[in-house]
Amino acid sequence: EIVLTQSPGTLSLSPGERATLSCRASQSVSSSYLAWYQQKPGQAPRLLIYGASSRATGISDRFSGSGSGTDFTLTISRLEPEDFAVYYCQQYGSSYTFGQGTKLEIK
Amino acid sequence: QVQLQESGPGLVKPSGTLSLTCAVSGGSISSSNWWSWVRQPPGKGLEWIGEIYHSGSTYYNPSLKSRVTISVDKSKNQFSMKLSSVTAADTAVYYCARRTGYCSDNSCYKWFDPWGQGTLVTVSS
Repeated sequence: EIVLTQSPGTLSLSPGERATLSCRASQSVSSSYLAWYQQKPGQAPRLLIYGASSRATGISDRFSGSGSGTDFTLTISRLEPEDFAVYYCQQYGSSYTFGQGTKLEIK
Repeated sequence: QVQLQESGPGLVKPSGTLSLTCAVSGGSISSSNWWSWVRQPPGKGLEWIGEIYHSGSTYYNPSLKSRVTISVDKSKNQFSMKLSSVTAADTAVYYCARRTGYCSDNSCYKWFDPWGQGTLVTVSS
């Protein structure tokens, strides 16, 4: 099973700042199978990025994804108040696994 | 647009069977998509449980495979999950989701979208 490790566990930033979230895989992952989700309290996860770098429909261009192999990054260019949430990466190898999440909180 | 809605008992006794249904609206369950279950223990991360195609083909998380069964009812446009021999560790919010994607230029893409709102299932006597 491929394990995804996200860092940092918690990221404290202010609105307007740039956020960089990391997702590291225990073995190489096909970029096409790497996705990112946003989850707010009491809500279901929402797809942000698929294929490591493709934005889902309706997602702001402030969100971008990059990476390959074992290292992937989600970047939020200018934080808005509604961006503070928990973010998960997810991969498909022989099965689907999620990272443990990064909580993005207001500083 | 496709919407999903989970339903089922919110409380299950230990050693019992957890049964949930996901109703699909705004689209056909017989479309070229897979239909998944994902769970999230309180305050924890996400765990994929398994998925089904409208043909009845299934894939399960190896860690849960011996206890889970996912089925589809095309006439009702819904799919269901049963998890047997539950313990307190199975207490979680259970989500259903459409697992979709496509293949292009020798690469295939897979992701979960949309998701149901989730339903909390507590395992307790």
